[in-house]
Amino acid sequence: GQQVMQIPQYQHVQEGEDFTTYCNSSTTLSNIQWYKQRPGGHPVFLIQLVKSGEVKKQKRLTFQFGEAKKNSSLHITATQTTDVGTYFCAAPAAGNKLTFGGGTRVLVKP
Amino acid sequence: NAGVTQTPKFQVLKTGQSMTLQCAQDMNHEYMSWYRQDPGMGLRLIHYSVGAGITDQGEVPNGYNVSRSTTEDFPLRLLSAAPSQTSVYFCASSPDRVYGYTFGSGTRLTVV
Repeated sequence: GQQVMQIPQYQHVQEGEDFTTYCNSSTTLSNIQWYKQRPGGHPVFLIQLVKSGEVKKQKRLTFQFGEAKKNSSLHITATQTTDVGTYFCAAPAAGNKLTFGGGTRVLVKP
Repeated sequence: NAGVTQTPKFQVLKTGQSMTLQCAQDMNHEYMSWYRQDPGMGLRLIHYSVGAGITDQGEVPNGYNVSRSTTEDFPLRLLSAAPSQTSVYFCASSPDRVYGYTFGSGTRLTVV
């Protein structure tokens, strides 16, 4: 079945620095969603991208959908300790399923 | 609105026992799903539903049953608990496949 792969699996970031996490699929995606899960918490929906090449921003977070709709990225600028957590991408699969990537676990060094 | 409510929050079962994890949402969402998350891992889809009376299997359905008799409720039944089912279980709902999912706070299950 369809899988979305996320890299890196772990990201150690110095506070104030930028980083990017990537989500890749072997098949064309109709849309892609991003979620954040704080340690010990539950996933929280951040955003959905639908159009080829789409870019959306939420404060310091920039989300991008690739031109071929096979990949997506999340870029965080000026990382803060509040950014700690795991970021998941998720994409619809056959039969109305929503499948999740393995996630990128972000640790912030103060 | 309470959102998605999961009960219980914690549960310890003995191998072979059965139980039902409850999930209820008050947002009139048609789509509901159950995921499991093992330590340090991603989310794996167990079962899902696109409306009352309609359910289907996800990636890891073995050992679990679901039913959807109402729009609000989507219980997950463990038939005969096994240590491999030790996990955190999340229920989630969405108004449609093109919208993001709202997750419950999870049920932490340990099978001994």
